[in-house]
Amino acid sequence: DGGITQSPKYLFRKEGQNVTLSCEQNLNHDAMYWYRQDPGQGLRLIYYSQIVNDFQKGDIAEGYSVSREKKESFPLTVTSAQKNPTAFYLCASTDRGSLGQPQHFGDGTRLSIL
Amino acid sequence: AQKITQTQPGMFVQEKEAVTLDCTYDTSDPSYGLFWYKQPSSGEMIFLIYQGSYDQQNATEGRYSLNFQKARKSANLVISASQLGDSAMYFCAMRWMDSSYKLIFGSGTRLLVRP
Repeated sequence: DGGITQSPKYLFRKEGQNVTLSCEQNLNHDAMYWYRQDPGQGLRLIYYSQIVNDFQKGDIAEGYSVSREKKESFPLTVTSAQKNPTAFYLCASTDRGSLGQPQHFGDGTRLSIL
Repeated sequence: AQKITQTQPGMFVQEKEAVTLDCTYDTSDPSYGLFWYKQPSSGEMIFLIYQGSYDQQNATEGRYSLNFQKARKSANLVISASQLGDSAMYFCAMRWMDSSYKLIFGSGTRLLVRP
């Protein structure tokens, strides 16, 4: 079955630590996205990538970094510079064929501070 | 700038009745698309329905339909014959021609279906 796999499901970060969230897709999609969701709120875009080896900042990129070395993979690193990392993180991908192509989402990673 | 607004933080509906979730948007781009997603308590985002700005008819997908009023810039989701499993957060989202296929999301509406 094609889909998006995010791991781990739960992640805990210590003060001053960088942590990396994994996102892998086998849908052959060019574009991938990372969103942050705070409790009771909508999704905010952190970073996105339309092709391999290229990515752009979203609305809340500070304190985060990404890489896109392979089409299938778009890992997100939450750095120690992100002072309030506790949130639900969702990865998505889409085909760039038309406006009507929906984004497909992974099951998310819940990040908390220890 | 583009914007999506959902003004209903929470709603109740009786099982088997219909419910309308509101969504208004703002964009100056003539070519755009509107999406609705469902987010159960487990957290995954489930795509429900899509409406393109040039579509002549309102979109329908099973029990979901979209009441698209272009002049009023509204794209309300109608769920018919509500089921207990419809209890979830619902998000309206928009993509426009120059958006690099990004989506912007509203703040969501929490729907609770009463038995």
